Amino acid sequence: AQSVAQPEDQVNVAEGNPLTVKCTYSVSGNPYLFWYVQYPNRGLQFLLKYITGDNLVKGSYGFEAEFNKSQTSFHLKKPSALVSDSALYFCAVSSMDSSYKLIFGSGTRLLVRP
Amino acid sequence: NAGVTQTPKFQVLKTGQSMTLQCAQDMNHEYMSWYRQDPGMGLRLIHYSVGAGITDQGEVPNGYNVSRSTTEDFPLRLLSAAPSQTSVYFCASSGRDRNLSYEQYFGPGTRLTVT
Repeated sequence: AQSVAQPEDQVNVAEGNPLTVKCTYSVSGNPYLFWYVQYPNRGLQFLLKYITGDNLVKGSYGFEAEFNKSQTSFHLKKPSALVSDSALYFCAVSSMDSSYKLIFGSGTRLLVRP
Repeated sequence: NAGVTQTPKFQVLKTGQSMTLQCAQDMNHEYMSWYRQDPGMGLRLIHYSVGAGITDQGEVPNGYNVSRSTTEDFPLRLLSAAPSQTSVYFCASSGRDRNLSYEQYFGPGTRLTVT
């Protein structure tokens, strides 16, 4: 069965510092991996995805994520955090044989302090 | 494009009442789904549809019905509301892109409270 783990409920970082939000996954076959962001009282917005190819994926708002097959991880990163990055972040996974079914992690709240 | 729209934005029901949450998309997406979001649990898939006339159960389908008579609409029906169904409900749609992946587009959500 597919699953996603986001081990941190909350990540705190100072503005200007690098940030990492962790995600590990379990899926049979090759994974399709996604990051979404949710701002207060809003729906989810797509940030980036890994399907195949280069392990470092660049997405919206300066975010990037690194796919590591041996560690089954897909951590979200940003070199310099902004206060406006404060939000709830979700990692999600699907597989090639059921690519339309996303399984979400429990979410990580990112708090960037000025 | 309006994208994915959901109505109502807020709803309060009494236990045992029924209602329908509406979802529509104007992107001609083949795939649509309903999720519920509860604190600390992320999003859980309730029902999904891979095309008009085709629906299937997700992770937490009990107490909910869906139908997909058109490509655009995917309503979610609560048959007899229970306090455990208090949640925020999101509808999403996606089409298969050239990488054969499904990037999902989410509606703004419906906040449902069952008393």
